[in-house]
Amino acid sequence: NAGVMQNPRHLVRRRGQEARLRCSPMKGHSHVYWYRQLPEEGLKFMVYLQKENIIDESGMPKERFSAEFPKEGPSILRIQQVVRGDSAAYFCASSGLADEQFFGPGTRLTVL
Amino acid sequence: KNEVEQSPQNLTAQEGEFITINCSYSVGISALHWLQQHPGGGIVSLFMLSSGKKKHGRLIATINIQEKHSSLHITASHPRDSAVYICAVRSEDGGSQGNLIFGKGTKLSVKP
Repeated sequence: NAGVMQNPRHLVRRRGQEARLRCSPMKGHSHVYWYRQLPEEGLKFMVYLQKENIIDESGMPKERFSAEFPKEGPSILRIQQVVRGDSAAYFCASSGLADEQFFGPGTRLTVL
Repeated sequence: KNEVEQSPQNLTAQEGEFITINCSYSVGISALHWLQQHPGGGIVSLFMLSSGKKKHGRLIATINIQEKHSSLHITASHPRDSAVYICAVRSEDGGSQGNLIFGKGTKLSVKP
């Protein structure tokens, strides 16, 4: 039973480009959470999704960031027109009915 | 003041020592998580608990709901336990079940 998968593991973008981060939850999990860890800072909640629904996006920046979890395929965190301040590690977690969250390995985004 | 406070921030121990990491929180919670983040950056869920005590191998986690305090203990510590240990709580205030609030982490280094 594979764990939570994230890809790419490392992503380099130039300012103004788009970044797409993918997360495949554990088998049987229908809840996906995205967290961001800025350099030298703690983890911060961004968004919580269930299949085809955004449940809570209170931690998402209002502009340039969006997330989806389609009926088929992975969850996508999309950052448009990236800026240097977006450089961070982005972690995805998934859970089933038991609520315990299992984390993916993260995507390290570097904006040049 | 952060809603989740951990102490100590940094901890150096000799191999074999008994280690305690503390977590205090100021909100009502439905669950508390202990996570481990290795130097490579991946995050592993160690425990999720809402009352009492849990044990897994050399790791023990306890929680006192009345005092809003949890501890993570490591018995017979080993250099491979070196990592950042993160406490995270899920608020009970009826909001998103996904919205974990994280402590800043305790960086543990175990010397041989």
